[in-house]
Amino acid sequence: DQQVKQNSPSLSVQEGRISILNCDYTNSMFDYFLWYKKYPAEGPTFLISISSIKDKNEDGRFTVFLNKSAKHLSLHIVPSQPGDSAVYFCAASDLGRSQGNLIFGKGTKLSVKP
Amino acid sequence: DTGVSQNPRHKITKRGQNVTFRCDPISEHNRLYWYRQTLGQGPEFLTYFQNEAQLEKSRLLSDRFSAERPKGSFSTLEIQRTEQGDSAMYLCASSAWDRGYYEQYFGPGTRLTVT
Repeated sequence: DQQVKQNSPSLSVQEGRISILNCDYTNSMFDYFLWYKKYPAEGPTFLISISSIKDKNEDGRFTVFLNKSAKHLSLHIVPSQPGDSAVYFCAASDLGRSQGNLIFGKGTKLSVKP
Repeated sequence: DTGVSQNPRHKITKRGQNVTFRCDPISEHNRLYWYRQTLGQGPEFLTYFQNEAQLEKSRLLSDRFSAERPKGSFSTLEIQRTEQGDSAMYLCASSAWDRGYYEQYFGPGTRLTVT
């Protein structure tokens, strides 16, 4: 049973436009969410996180939105740049369990075309 | 701060052999995590350490797998009697959990191929 789902395997966006990556989760105990970017042959790179007590967190071109009632979060990248082309993973954690291990989605491959 | 490092980056081994991977976390990060990633999947949790104590193992970590973190610094992950199904990218991550920083920083991974 997949607890974190990224239903779009790929997304193509024009440079300068907005990229919106989506993520759904099923476990209502998740209270901390993260987005990672991954290039081939490298480990995931942490981008941005959000606690369940917030509904938005912004860091430069990256904004994460959390809708707890819908169990949905999204990552907005504005403006998109060719260097943003990578696989993006959504991850969730139940900090209340104190283990802190992350549950990942399968990823969305973003292609930003010049 | 040099980030999380992992060695070797690539390992090719024959079925039945033992392999050991090393992870050096970001200094002063008290938590260290091991994940495994296969093609088309996100990373899957294997085990984690808080300082030198191994506090949880996932069901993915069979008896052939063992991990250590002596003195709470670097960690090793050993796989005994490797099987073809062990072929994957093994990722290490660390976090400063004790200071309230829950995001995990990953190393470049070790890609294991079992022939």
